[in-house]
Amino acid sequence: SQTIHQWPATLVQPVGSPLSLECTVEGTSNPNLYWYRQAAGRGLQLLFYSVGIGQISSEVPQNLSASRPQDRQFILSSKKLLLSDSGFYLCAWTELPRESSGNTIYFGEGSWLTVV
Amino acid sequence: TQLLEQSPQFLSIQEGENLTVYCNSSSVFSSLQWYRQEPGEGPVLLVTVVTGGEVKKLKRLTFQFGDARKDSSLHITAAQPGDTGLYLCAGANTNAGKSTFGDGTTLTVKP
Repeated sequence: SQTIHQWPATLVQPVGSPLSLECTVEGTSNPNLYWYRQAAGRGLQLLFYSVGIGQISSEVPQNLSASRPQDRQFILSSKKLLLSDSGFYLCAWTELPRESSGNTIYFGEGSWLTVV
Repeated sequence: TQLLEQSPQFLSIQEGENLTVYCNSSSVFSSLQWYRQEPGEGPVLLVTVVTGGEVKKLKRLTFQFGDARKDSSLHITAAQPGDTGLYLCAGANTNAGKSTFGDGTTLTVKP
């Protein structure tokens, strides 16, 4: 069966410090990978998505970047964190969307980032 | 840009009551998913609907996809405290690699 894991689960970082959140998927090949950010109790904002190694699409201009060095690894980074980068970050994966089954998204456990 | 609007944003009810959550858009989607999320965890899929007019039942939960595939509803019968959580709808198109999420409905069911 497929699994997705992201870490760290909780992170407290000072303003101006770097960031690295990692995500790995097991049990599938060539998944679409995503990074979302979620404000408390609200919907999900898509930050980046990737359809293959080295292929990254950015949805919103921001202080963050993403990389996909391997097929099932997705990394969210920042060189210098801002206070506004605080939030709940979710990694996710999907298979190629199918007409009969839709676009089911499988989410990781989430990472709480607090920038102080 | 495709947008999904969920209503109500917050809902607080007593155990045993019924409720309906709505997800509306001016855009057509090839499929729509409903997720439930508990605090500090990732969303978990409840159901996917793909056919206009489709109705799916999951125990006390009934999901409906609009005939024009622009809207959906989630109805819960005899709500229980365990139903408490954030309910999110998400629309997708077959040829796109990403989904559009609504802002969510926070449901609190009081014992």
